[in-house]
Amino acid sequence: GQQVMQIPQYQHVQEGEDFTTYCNSSTTLSNIQWYKQRPGGHPVFLIQLVKSGEVKKQKRLTFQFGEAKKNSSLHITATQTTDVGTYFCAGIYNQGGKLIFGQGTELSVKP
Amino acid sequence: DAGVTQSPTHLIKTRGQQVTLRCSPKSGHDTVSWYQQALGQGPQFIFQYYEEEERQRGNFPDRFSGHQFPNYSSELNVNALLLGDSALYLCASSPRAANSPLHFGNGTRLTVT
Repeated sequence: GQQVMQIPQYQHVQEGEDFTTYCNSSTTLSNIQWYKQRPGGHPVFLIQLVKSGEVKKQKRLTFQFGEAKKNSSLHITATQTTDVGTYFCAGIYNQGGKLIFGQGTELSVKP
Repeated sequence: DAGVTQSPTHLIKTRGQQVTLRCSPKSGHDTVSWYQQALGQGPQFIFQYYEEEERQRGNFPDRFSGHQFPNYSSELNVNALLLGDSALYLCASSPRAANSPLHFGNGTRLTVT
């Protein structure tokens, strides 16, 4: 079925350490989006990946879309306290279809 | 330029009651999607509206219904409230273009007692 699995559920890191969250689907995705939700806030769009094997960077954040378009990852280099929040991947299976969110990875950063 | 606005911010209802939540999309957006987010979970898709019609629906019972008005604003109605309906209800707007990123409002925190 159309379900997006995300791991880990929680990640606690020391400031300056790296962080990675993974997103998997059993069926091919049309595209995938990533969102960040700060504590008490709402999801905010970060990026969209469309092409097989696509890699995009935003400063210390690197986003990848797998060759089979079934998995994706978000890597943060040298985390900062401002990175705290929950990171969600959200996939679309059909062009124009509904956006299905993963369970999210909650990142906490210890100064 | 106002973003997505939702009202009310918080609401407390009793089991069996009915509730209406409201959303105004970001300027220039004509598509509105509603999501339910339980504590510690990802947003779950309820339904999407554009051109005043429900276009897509998630796995939610008929107790959940909606409406979109000519000015693109939208309402989410939930009848016969259950304790399990307690959650953050998020409205998101986007332009019609397929796969456009969603812009979320701050949500309505619904508590059912």
